[in-house]
Amino acid sequence: GAVVSQHPSWVICKSGTSVKIECRSLDFQATTMFWYRQFPKQSLMLMATSNEGSKATYEQGVEKDKFLINHASLTLSTLTVTSAHPEDSSFYICSARGGRGASQETQYFGPGTRLLVL
Amino acid sequence: GQNIDQPTEMTATEGAIVQINCTYQTSGFNGLFWYQQHAGEAPTFLSYNVLDGLEEKGRFSSFLSRSKGYSYLLLKELQMKDSASYLCAVRDERADKLIFGTGTRLQVFP
Repeated sequence: GAVVSQHPSWVICKSGTSVKIECRSLDFQATTMFWYRQFPKQSLMLMATSNEGSKATYEQGVEKDKFLINHASLTLSTLTVTSAHPEDSSFYICSARGGRGASQETQYFGPGTRLLVL
Repeated sequence: GQNIDQPTEMTATEGAIVQINCTYQTSGFNGLFWYQQHAGEAPTFLSYNVLDGLEEKGRFSSFLSRSKGYSYLLLKELQMKDSASYLCAVRDERADKLIFGTGTRLQVFP
């Protein structure tokens, strides 16, 4: 149980385009979802926290107009990187916390999405 | 402020035991997590401690002392596949989020 999926796993795009990443909790209802970014050989940096049906809370230094987060249901959250630039190239990982069907304390991570902006 | 410290790198031999330490100073505390992350992959959950003491789960054990702001992850009977980064994370109750340490890269040699 407690499986989180992400799609796509890889994205290569041109500078200036927008990229949408989906995060789904497959077998539990996620009341809270988190979006992280990780650069090579560095730890996870929290970008934002989102609760179903409400606006995301962004960490300091993360532009909310550039990284749009939607958490429309208890099993789906999306991150849209708008007008992506090469410096946005990174490993984006979502995690979800339950909810019915999973531990309420533990965050379960998706497999990550590797974004490369040319 | 928020601060989580763990060693950057460790090495060990197959079959041995290794202990990865983590110290933390956070404004709120509601549990400590250990995750394993292989290169290029997302973290996988290993353990969760919220009360003082030792939690054992197979080859992995995790210990917590809240008064000392200290935890360790103990890996026994090391296998080559245990080569990975191990992330210590504290759940900040007030901010309701996980604060991650920089991770400890463990290399297991034959």
